[in-house]
Amino acid sequence: RKEVEQDPGPFNVPEGATVAFNCTYSNSASQSFFWYRQDCRKEPKLLMSVYSSGNEDGRFTAQLNRASQYISLLIRDSKLSDSATYLCVVNRGGTASKLTFGTGTRLQVTL
Amino acid sequence: EAQVTQNPRYLITVTGKKLTVTCSQNMNHEYMSWYRQDPGLGLRQIYYSMNVEVTDKGDVPEGYKVSRKEKRNFPLILESPSPNQTSLYFCASSLLQSGLYEQYFGPGTRLTVT
Repeated sequence: RKEVEQDPGPFNVPEGATVAFNCTYSNSASQSFFWYRQDCRKEPKLLMSVYSSGNEDGRFTAQLNRASQYISLLIRDSKLSDSATYLCVVNRGGTASKLTFGTGTRLQVTL
Repeated sequence: EAQVTQNPRYLITVTGKKLTVTCSQNMNHEYMSWYRQDPGLGLRQIYYSMNVEVTDKGDVPEGYKVSRKEKRNFPLILESPSPNQTSLYFCASSLLQSGLYEQYFGPGTRLTVT
């Protein structure tokens, strides 16, 4: 089993739609969770950290479910500019220096 | 402007010819890391450094070397490149604060080894 698994997509959604991505992780000791965004072959950029209580940033909501070992990202009112690959990132419990990146979920928002 | 820079951005080389990819950050970050990204495999960590003169292997260190003589620089060295090292390479840096480890990535270096 991969340490971090994501559905590769692509998710093709119309503008204005709500879309959700899930990501599962295998290391129950993981303590830090993130969603990064990567535009086509450019550098990844932090979208948001994921907190135990869940957190929201504008149209984006991230949730963490420790019992089931998954995190989710919800995007409301999708924009064309949201088209990108979304990377789920998890640290390896107790080791700040080692992050495991999922292979990413590609989102394509269309008119 | 806070940033991570990498050079070169694109490189085509031949098997066995030593090369160095430079990485520099201006944010006074303690932590720096190198990743490679390949289709279907995602980002995989090659080496990382917690501070000057402190480096350690990541998940795929074979065929690579690094050094951290100054806080701002973390070069990646391929002593004898091979075609399986053809990849997109990213350098990243971050502060070492408990809880959050936002990594700032450089723009990437696309390496082709023929």
